[in-house]
Amino acid sequence: KAGVTQTPRYLIKTRGQQVTLSCSPISGHRSVSWYQQTPGQGLQFLFEYFSETQRNKGNFPGRFSGRQFSNSRSEMNVSTLELGDSALYLCASSLREETTPLHFGNGTRLTVT
Amino acid sequence: AQSVTQLGSHVSVSEGALVLLRCNYSSSVPPYLFWYVQYPNQGLQLLLKYTSAATLVKGINGFEAEFKKSETSFHLTKPSAHMSDAAEYFCAVSGGFKTIFGAGTRLFVKA
Repeated sequence: KAGVTQTPRYLIKTRGQQVTLSCSPISGHRSVSWYQQTPGQGLQFLFEYFSETQRNKGNFPGRFSGRQFSNSRSEMNVSTLELGDSALYLCASSLREETTPLHFGNGTRLTVT
Repeated sequence: AQSVTQLGSHVSVSEGALVLLRCNYSSSVPPYLFWYVQYPNQGLQLLLKYTSAATLVKGINGFEAEFKKSETSFHLTKPSAHMSDAAEYFCAVSGGFKTIFGAGTRLFVKA
């Protein structure tokens, strides 16, 4: 069974631009979560989607948004990029939240210059 | 609110020595607890999970963790460290449609 696929693997953007990251979950997984990982803040929860509905979101500004499609694939968008948005963005899928573990992709490394 | 605290951002052990990585949690409901490992330039991989079936949980690669409700702890251990265990380890608690991770502990293994 294929794992979680995140594209692109690396991305370089300029301040003020916007970016869209993509995540394809494991087949059959309906929950997709997004995390931002930085050396200073660690793993920070962005949001979780299940069957196209956002069920929870973390403490991030409105510039960070996401969505999930009917095939469970998910995208996250960051508008008006800031230098501090440079991070590894990780997507994880699961059968459902709470009792089942997360399966992570290898992430998208975003660098904002 | 749920939270996780990992004691020690860096732990160094010799090859063959005991590995002990500490994790304390806070949860208002019976917790779902996990340990994950992250190797460089990769996402996280599940080591083991606690979901109330047994207090001693065995995971992959010889790791195990013991759930102690009275101490609100879920420490990760491995009897004998191997060079390939060098990585970053994360304790996590799940609930309310999100999983919260600790700050992580980087494990160094000396030859």
